[in-house]
Amino acid sequence: DTEVTQTPKHLVMGMTNKKSLKCEQHMGHRAMYWYKQKAKKPPELMFVYSYEKLSINESVPSRFSPECPNSSLLNLHLHALQPEDSALYLCASSLRQTGEDTQYFGPGTRLTVL
Amino acid sequence: AQTVTQSQPEMSVQEAETVTLSCTYDTSESDYYLFWYKQPPSRQMILVIRQEAYKQQNATENRFSVNFQKAAKSFSLKISDSQLGDAAMYFCAYRSGLNSGNTPLVFGKGTRLSVIA
Repeated sequence: DTEVTQTPKHLVMGMTNKKSLKCEQHMGHRAMYWYKQKAKKPPELMFVYSYEKLSINESVPSRFSPECPNSSLLNLHLHALQPEDSALYLCASSLRQTGEDTQYFGPGTRLTVL
Repeated sequence: AQTVTQSQPEMSVQEAETVTLSCTYDTSESDYYLFWYKQPPSRQMILVIRQEAYKQQNATENRFSVNFQKAAKSFSLKISDSQLGDAAMYFCAYRSGLNSGNTPLVFGKGTRLSVIA
């Protein structure tokens, strides 16, 4: 089973709202990732968690706040977003944060910021 | 820094025919991994096939196979007996084999494949 689940599938929020995206996997993977993907572009890495610790933050604005409560869950807290933050947000996981470990992606959350 | 180039923004293929998607990459490393991901209109990224650089044998997965030319730094994807469900954006991706912890997936810009009935 190589399933990564994400909720919600769609999210519409105003610039003053606070919302959270959720990602879950039960494959025993210890590395989890958040990507942002704009239309017709490849995914861009935002954050990496390895063994529940933040490993990489690709200079993402502080209005995006990741959280890894346990080895199966990854959240992305959103606050005071801008319309240009509208995108598909993809979660991925891999056994470890090493090159040989394949990343498996979830179905994504399509975010619209009004 | 590594780069991945997909020179064909769009391609089309007749149903049941064969199509090859091109990918080249630039790296000075000897240990790395290459991937093809498929992203249909539903937007979920699905792993199609993976190739380890240390393996000379080309990877195959059912109708999908790769032509891995390490010296030429080329990694093309061949889809045989194309089906309507193969229509998607295909991304070629590179990942370093270094165990430094910071080994992001480097994606190409993608090739949009249309399948004509």
